[in-house]
Amino acid sequence: EVQLVESGGGLVKPGGSLRLSCAASGFTFSSYSMNWVRQAPGKGLEWVSSISSSSSYIYYADSVKGRFTISRDNAKNSLYLQMNSLRAEDTAVYYCARDHQLSRGAFDIWGQGTMVTVSS
Amino acid sequence: EIVMTQSPATLSVSPGERATLSCRASQSVSSNLAWYQQKPGQAPRLLIYGASTRATGIPARFSGSGSGTEFTLTISSLQSEDFAVYYCQQYNNWPPWAFGGGTKVEIK
Repeated sequence: EVQLVESGGGLVKPGGSLRLSCAASGFTFSSYSMNWVRQAPGKGLEWVSSISSSSSYIYYADSVKGRFTISRDNAKNSLYLQMNSLRAEDTAVYYCARDHQLSRGAFDIWGQGTMVTVSS
Repeated sequence: EIVMTQSPATLSVSPGERATLSCRASQSVSSNLAWYQQKPGQAPRLLIYGASTRATGIPARFSGSGSGTEFTLTISSLQSEDFAVYYCQQYNNWPPWAFGGGTKVEIK
């Protein structure tokens, strides 16, 4: 079964750091670009960051640029998001999502999400 | 940066009726447009990509159309499991990959 499972969320104080992980299974992880998408409570979807299959290309939303770092370990079938200098507005469910193989940029597989709460 | 606008924000439909959801891009995205369904407490699910191609396992009652700046998602006969929030997303000009604000389809 194709699956993505996020972990690492939790409660953190403003200015703190957190590292999210996404474990992939059931497909050849190293062949796919991967993404992080977040959703603030009661709000819509916001793309956060993307990384190509070999980590050659990395992109960030302006709202997180300079504070978040995306990375991957293809040997471990894992995607990561290092989040530093966290702000209240970073509070959201964070999803990892796979790029569609035939239509790059559409996200065809999503994890269940991990909640990040930034509060003092 | 492309802005995606969905309308209406909320659509009230009776089971068995047709639902038509709209998505507009601030500039052309060709056919690089996806639709997602999200139910409460769940992750989004890809319904349509390439503006009109159903994703794997998506029922035929879901159809997408449009190109350029105007797109439509049609649910031909609403089932109880279709009441959810629907998002469009462009992936023609990136970054960023932009989502619309969503349309909530509720029971009338």
